[in-house]
Amino acid sequence: GQSLEQPSEVTAVEGAIVQINCTYQTSGFYGLSWYQQHDGGAPTFLSYNGLDGLEETGRFSSFLSRSDSYGYLLLQELQMKDSASYFCAVKNYGQNFVFGPGTRLSVLP
Amino acid sequence: ETGVTQSPTHLIKTRGQQVTLRCSSQSGHNTVSWYQQALGQGPQFIFQYYREEENGRGNFPPRFSGLQFPNYSSELNVNALELDDSALYLCASSLSPDRGHGYTFGSGTRLTVV
Repeated sequence: GQSLEQPSEVTAVEGAIVQINCTYQTSGFYGLSWYQQHDGGAPTFLSYNGLDGLEETGRFSSFLSRSDSYGYLLLQELQMKDSASYFCAVKNYGQNFVFGPGTRLSVLP
Repeated sequence: ETGVTQSPTHLIKTRGQQVTLRCSSQSGHNTVSWYQQALGQGPQFIFQYYREEENGRGNFPPRFSGLQFPNYSSELNVNALELDDSALYLCASSLSPDRGHGYTFGSGTRLTVV
């Protein structure tokens, strides 16, 4: 089967650093992506890891270890506007794009 | 550069009816995919089209069908609507998803089946 696991909720304060983990089990693997979705909004693309290692985009970084079927999204200098749901997603060999269940991040003042 | 637009934004249908949802891809994007998102859950992949051909399909029954047109706009058709089909339907387009280009999502169509 295919499955992705993420923590359901994470809470942190403004200015802090938070890490959202994702483990996956899929039939084939084309890379791990991360999306942000605010309540009532559309998912927006944050990052993509096709190879092992760290990708950095501003305050956000994403990491992948294919041998461990594991990745994470790191959010630094948290701001109130970062409160949203975060989804990891994997594309498999059947061109299917599988999303995780999502992690709801709450940033407190 | 326009993003992905979907229509209608909201729709109410009766069980057993048929519905067509529409999506205009972001300019230049040749790949479009459709997702069903229930409240509080992640998007569930329905299918994907690349240059008018379906090249991926999730675990959805055949009554979910689609089309992609030469201008890369797309339709999602659902026949014999069931109450469980009530959800947010998202369309997303991309230029080269296999090369790491992310998908650009539309704001979705909220379908309610009564």
